[in-house]
Amino acid sequence: AQSVTQPDIHITVSEGASLELRCNYSYGATPYLFWYVQSPGQGLQLLLKYFSGDTLVQGIKGFEAEFKRSQSSFNLRKPSVHWSDAAEYFCAVAPRGNLIFGQGTTLQVKP
Amino acid sequence: GAGVSQSPSNKVTEKGKDVELRCDPISGHTALYWYRQRLGQGLEFLIYFQGNSAPDKSGLPSDRFSAERTGESVSTLTIQRTQQEDSAVYLCASSLGYSGTAGYTFGSGTRLTVV
Repeated sequence: AQSVTQPDIHITVSEGASLELRCNYSYGATPYLFWYVQSPGQGLQLLLKYFSGDTLVQGIKGFEAEFKRSQSSFNLRKPSVHWSDAAEYFCAVAPRGNLIFGQGTTLQVKP
Repeated sequence: GAGVSQSPSNKVTEKGKDVELRCDPISGHTALYWYRQRLGQGLEFLIYFQGNSAPDKSGLPSDRFSAERTGESVSTLTIQRTQQEDSAVYLCASSLGYSGTAGYTFGSGTRLTVV
């Protein structure tokens, strides 16, 4: 069965530091891959997505993600975190169309 | 409308009562999805619609849960004889097609509390 694993439940970084959130998926072929962010009391917002082509994908708010087929990973990165980035981050795959989500990573940003 | 609209935004109900949650997708979006998000957890897929048919109901947790959709418009998720474990945020999303490439737009959710 298809699945998504986000190994880090909670991450704390200092403002201005770099960030990497991990995501691993289990699927026979290359699925469509997504990262969403959910701020407190807000809906889900799409940060970026990967379907094919260039394995480094640029998204909104300065985020990027790299698809690595050999590692079945799609890690999210940001060079310099801002306090407003504190939120819950979800990796998702769409092997058939409906999204399958990871458990999420809560990002806390220290001043 | 401009986005996916869900109502009510909050619902408190007594255990054993039935509840109906409504989702109004973006006009023209043929695919519609329901998810459940329990406190501190990820999103669980419940059901998806392509038009008014539901090819994949695999995520519905029990026969107390049902959903319907009128054409390519409004969908309602009904939970009968609610239990405390049904407390969660129920999220709806819509997309132009069921392929993944069309992108998904989520509503703000309905927070259901069963007391």
